[in-house]
Amino acid sequence: EVQLVESGGGLVQPGRSLRLSCAASGFTFDDYAMHWVRQAPGKGLEWVSGINWNSGSIGYADSVKGRFTISRNNAKNSLYLQMNSLRPEDTALYYCAKGFIDNWNYDWFDSWGQGTLLTVSS
Amino acid sequence: DIVMTQTPLSLSVTPGQPASISCKSSQSLLHSDGKTYLYWFLQKPGQSPHLLIYEVSSRFSGVPDRFSGSGSGTDFTLKISRVEAEDVGVYYCMQGIHLPPYTFGQGTKLEIK
Repeated sequence: EVQLVESGGGLVQPGRSLRLSCAASGFTFDDYAMHWVRQAPGKGLEWVSGINWNSGSIGYADSVKGRFTISRNNAKNSLYLQMNSLRPEDTALYYCAKGFIDNWNYDWFDSWGQGTLLTVSS
Repeated sequence: DIVMTQTPLSLSVTPGQPASISCKSSQSLLHSDGKTYLYWFLQKPGQSPHLLIYEVSSRFSGVPDRFSGSGSGTDFTLKISRVEAEDVGVYYCMQGIHLPPYTFGQGTKLEIK
């Protein structure tokens, strides 16, 4: 059974940094692309970033480009999201999602974690 | 970015009755490879989203056959043939061709009468 467990969320002041983690199990991690998707409180879904199986290709939403960095450690079956220069509008539940293929392009999200909540506020 | 527009934004359905949700994209989701990159997700109350339909009409593993997807180009529909109480939640369509980013519809909230 696929399991994705996010961690690292919390309350952080604007302008500060935080790193989210996603521990994956139940599948061959380095066979698949991985993604981060967020959901602001009471709002819809927003794709944040995706990374292909070997970190060779990465994509970001314009809203986070230059501030967020996605990465993965296949040896540790883990996905990360380094978030810098955080803004109040980054406040959201951040989901880790498994891709269906090995490339973040033309992919879809066939398993989701439960999310980790980030609150950016002074 | 591609805009995905869902209608209605909410609907209330009697158990056993059908339901239909429309999703329109601002550009065609048909790729030169012949695939159409349109997906449907359901987010049940208090849960994370899960995949229902991929590439317009293919049901994901474990999805009941009362769910069906159809459409082409820019117009798509998710149909539930007979709504059950467990189908409540917010339904999202998503495009996966004009990237980045992946974009979702606003969501359609399904309630049971």
